Amino acid sequence: GAGVSQSPSNKVTEKGKDVELRCDPISGHTALYWYRQRLGQGLEFLIYFQGNSAPDKSGLPSDRFSAERTGESVSTLTIQRTQQEDSAVYLCASSPSGTWNNEQFFGPGTRLTVL
Amino acid sequence: GQQVMQIPQYQHVQEGEDFTTYCNSSTTLSNIQWYKQRPGGHPVFLIQLVKSGEVKKQKRLTFQFGEAKKNSSLHITATQTTDVGTYFCAPAGDSSYKLIFGSGTRLLVRP
Repeated sequence: GAGVSQSPSNKVTEKGKDVELRCDPISGHTALYWYRQRLGQGLEFLIYFQGNSAPDKSGLPSDRFSAERTGESVSTLTIQRTQQEDSAVYLCASSPSGTWNNEQFFGPGTRLTVL
Repeated sequence: GQQVMQIPQYQHVQEGEDFTTYCNSSTTLSNIQWYKQRPGGHPVFLIQLVKSGEVKKQKRLTFQFGEAKKNSSLHITATQTTDVGTYFCAPAGDSSYKLIFGSGTRLLVRP
């Protein structure tokens, strides 16, 4: 089966514009995670979905960031009024269930550049 | 919140030399996972450790979980150029679903 996919792979936008990043998890995976990775840095947790609910949004940096998920499928991360500090790779990961003993399967990421 | 320290930040070795990265926590961990991220790629799961003192091997890679479950290490014997990348430890966080990724150790291998 297919792995986690993300689109677009690259996004260049102007400061102040809104962007939408998409994640298609592995079919049947109930848990979905979004991370941000700045150049040369580690992974910064943003949000966790179990099914279509988000019990943990604690990592979203500001109210400009939001995410939703349709059922146990596609998720969209939206960044409004983008700022230059939003430039990073946004990684999505899914796992069979949201428990600590499941490995996370990562997508290839979306590289966001805010000019 | 829970934090982990990973050292060294990066290491440059000659092909054939050994390499070790360490992951340290101030709190007891329920489990720890390790991931590898190749340059330009995404993290890929390597292994999970659960038991105190656990040691697991994957070919030239040896993973250890400390007796007190507060630290872990990854050792690579006789590095190869294919080992290049960043190695992240990721212990389970305070919540059952969350991993806390360390800052990573970047490994460079001179051929």
